[in-house]
Amino acid sequence: GAVVSQHPSWVICKSGTSVKIECRSLDFQATTMFWYRQFPKQSLMLMATSNEGSKATYEQGVEKDKFLINHASLTLSTLTVTSAHPEDSSFYICRSSDNEQFFGPGTRLTVL
Amino acid sequence: GNSVTQMEGPVTLSEEAFLTINCTYTATGYPSLFWYVQYPGEGLQLLLKATKADDKGSNKGFEATYRKETTSFHLEKGSVQVSDSAVYFCALKGVNSGYALNFGKGTSLLVTP
Repeated sequence: GAVVSQHPSWVICKSGTSVKIECRSLDFQATTMFWYRQFPKQSLMLMATSNEGSKATYEQGVEKDKFLINHASLTLSTLTVTSAHPEDSSFYICRSSDNEQFFGPGTRLTVL
Repeated sequence: GNSVTQMEGPVTLSEEAFLTINCTYTATGYPSLFWYVQYPGEGLQLLLKATKADDKGSNKGFEATYRKETTSFHLEKGSVQVSDSAVYFCALKGVNSGYALNFGKGTSLLVTP
């Protein structure tokens, strides 16, 4: 069946560096991807909606300059956390719009 | 707007006990309703869903019935196993919200031998 993959699955970085997270749809085309953030023991918070070939739509309170989203092709959306700080440490999950079951496995970001 | 309310956990049960996790929702019209499961360190997996009133979703021994009159979608399992220990999220997709999902806060379940 269709699969959404994320890379990397876990990343540790120093404060001030930027980290790119990739979300790929492996055997289907995704015109829209959703990016979520999950804090420990909490629910998923929708950060933004990524549309292929156009600008992402960010939820209220999410800094678009901090969390750069690019959806350059129908199979790849990327989230870049710029100048990461410890408070950005979280679990980031993407989802394809094509089906409610197509979540990526998540990327755990730890900023030291 | 759309919202989902779940019972707070953690829920601790002995193996083979009966499980109920309550979920109620607020939405206009007839949203689609979902239960997701998240095992430690992993992403979300769709457990079951229902798209119209009185539908019953079921999978792996779990069931939930879409109750329009009580705006509920409670998750049940007759006999839990240790391997069911995970966090369970109730979610809805509103009629006019495109593909967006609204999630509840999640309920942690721990099943002990």
